[in-house]
Amino acid sequence: GDSVTQMEGPVTLSEEAFLTINCTYTATGYPSLFWYVQYPGEGLQLLLKATKADDKGSNKGFEATYRKETTSFHLEKGSVQVSDSAVYFCALRRTGNQFYFGTGTSLTVIP
Amino acid sequence: DTAVSQTPKYLVTQMGNDKSIKCEQNLGHDTMYWYKQDSKKFLKIMFSYNNKELIINETVPNRFSPKSPDKAHLNLHINSLELGDSAVYFCASSLAQGDEQYFGPGTRLTVT
Repeated sequence: GDSVTQMEGPVTLSEEAFLTINCTYTATGYPSLFWYVQYPGEGLQLLLKATKADDKGSNKGFEATYRKETTSFHLEKGSVQVSDSAVYFCALRRTGNQFYFGTGTSLTVIP
Repeated sequence: DTAVSQTPKYLVTQMGNDKSIKCEQNLGHDTMYWYKQDSKKFLKIMFSYNNKELIINETVPNRFSPKSPDKAHLNLHINSLELGDSAVYFCASSLAQGDEQYFGPGTRLTVT
């Protein structure tokens, strides 16, 4: 069945470091792919999305490209800030419109 | 204005009790959801309602009963609480099934 696999955390980076959080998916058909972010003590918020192959989603300096050939949707940011410390969830929209979330990757950025 | 709100934010109760969590959205969305997030941050869908009708009911003990009095509200009632029910419960809504989901702030339930 459809699923999402995220790299396990926690991830700790220094401010201004480069960030990559890996996400791969297994799906029949062509799912839409999403990254959600959960800041401490809050609910999830949509960070970016891509609905078809080769689409690039971007927001707040974060980017992710829908790669059909590698079934991946890795999240990247060129220079992280302390305020980016959060848990990041990769998700796909399954056939039938149901969302499936990955297990989350905790990011801590230290000054 | 809060888009998706939940009450209470924190709930501490003893095993065996019955409790409810309320959720309201003022976005005019047709679809609402309940998720459970465990201590490792794993997020699992429990229920989904579309226009007050149940459309997703994952494998959840029947002690959990959702109720949707209208499409702006989806409440979660839990009977005979157990230690393993301790988690953060998130309500979410979307314009329609499959659309971007907007999450509430969560309710942290602790069963002692």
